Amino acid sequence: DGGITQSPKYLFRKEGQNVTLSCEQNLNHDAMYWYRQDPGQGLRLIYYSQIVNDFQKGDIAEGYSVSREKKESFPLTVTSAQKNPTAFYLCASSMATENTEAFFGQGTRLTVV
Amino acid sequence: DAKTTQPTSMDCAEGRAANLPCNHSTISGNEYVYWYRQIHSQGPQYIIHGLKNNETNEMASLIITEDRKSSTLILPHATLRDTAVYYCIGGLNAGGTSYGKLTFGQGTILTVHP
Repeated sequence: DGGITQSPKYLFRKEGQNVTLSCEQNLNHDAMYWYRQDPGQGLRLIYYSQIVNDFQKGDIAEGYSVSREKKESFPLTVTSAQKNPTAFYLCASSMATENTEAFFGQGTRLTVV
Repeated sequence: DAKTTQPTSMDCAEGRAANLPCNHSTISGNEYVYWYRQIHSQGPQYIIHGLKNNETNEMASLIITEDRKSSTLILPHATLRDTAVYYCIGGLNAGGTSYGKLTFGQGTILTVHP
């Protein structure tokens, strides 16, 4: 089945540690995105990539880093510089054209203790 | 990107139509209106989108006013599984490059009652 997969579903880390969240898609989508969601809030864009080896900062990129070495993969690293990393992280992908929808993964809930 | 305004919450009886309004008075002529929903602790699910004309698919109908300043999402026969947060999103430019860069607001919490 085609889709977008995030792993793991739950992740626990100690404060000060970097952690990498995985996002893989087999939809042949050029564009991929990372969003953060805090309790009771809407989603906020962290980073996005419209093509391999290229990515841009979203609205809340500080403390995060990404790479896009393969079309299928867009991992997100939450660094120790992110002051409040505990959140629900969502990855999405879409065709890089207008009039198209984005498909979301099921999310990774990161808890930093 | 167009800012959207939605009611915080709505209720609907099972089997009845759920009509969810959205105001997007700042939307420009080339910006689509998208609707997504999110069931608790899951990723958002695409529902429908439109530019100028009304749209219908297997999930819902989208009615966009002629001046494009507001729209209504209609779930024709709501079920308990339709209980979710519904997001109305504007600003994906037709002909632009902002595809997928969705600006989510607070959304409307729809509760479907038996």
